[in-house]
Amino acid sequence: SQQGEEDPQALSIQEGENATMNCSYKTSINNLQWYRQNSGRGLVHLILIRSNEREKHSGRLRVTLDTSKKSSSLLITASRAADTASYFCATARSGGYQKVTFGTGTKLQVIP
Amino acid sequence: GAGVSQSPSNKVTEKGKDVELRCDPISGHTALYWYRQSLGQGLEFLIYFQGNSAPDKSGLPSDRFSAERTGGSVSTLTIQRTQQEDSAVYLCAVSGSQNTEAFFGQGTRLTVV
Repeated sequence: SQQGEEDPQALSIQEGENATMNCSYKTSINNLQWYRQNSGRGLVHLILIRSNEREKHSGRLRVTLDTSKKSSSLLITASRAADTASYFCATARSGGYQKVTFGTGTKLQVIP
Repeated sequence: GAGVSQSPSNKVTEKGKDVELRCDPISGHTALYWYRQSLGQGLEFLIYFQGNSAPDKSGLPSDRFSAERTGGSVSTLTIQRTQQEDSAVYLCAVSGSQNTEAFFGQGTRLTVV
């Protein structure tokens, strides 16, 4: 079964609005990462947040992590049409080797 | 991205034939992953390599699937006696160590007809 589950599965917003996507996971983690995928091919890394961090920013992206709730959120502010893509969270479990497990993704559509 | 090359980019094969997919990453990344993504779906973990060994093969769907890695670098995923349900994009990713990002190739789109 997937370690991470994103919600919503799909999100449609107007350009300029903010988009929030959530990710829940099941086991203790070492870190959580967010990725973006265009056109169903390779994924591009967006941001990594460690288990001892609570919030991280990168440009228009803001990621929060709540380890007590085993959840994370990705906020994209002032969205653009070019942000249209699928967004995935991925977790690396703590202990032992690092195995990165992906969620099912959120499809974001930003309407110009 | 970041020097992970997958070949072929696209592969159409007849049902029952064997296929070999290749992942050629830049050096220095000890961890290598294979994932499968069916149309419109999430990423399905297949296998993880640490160096040349595979401590986790739990995602391989059946014994028709196998993978190897040599020299801590190039990896091949082999699918024997392909079936139509094997049609998907197969993605390879590498990472250096814990707390580092994974770099993905552009994937191989496999179509079994």
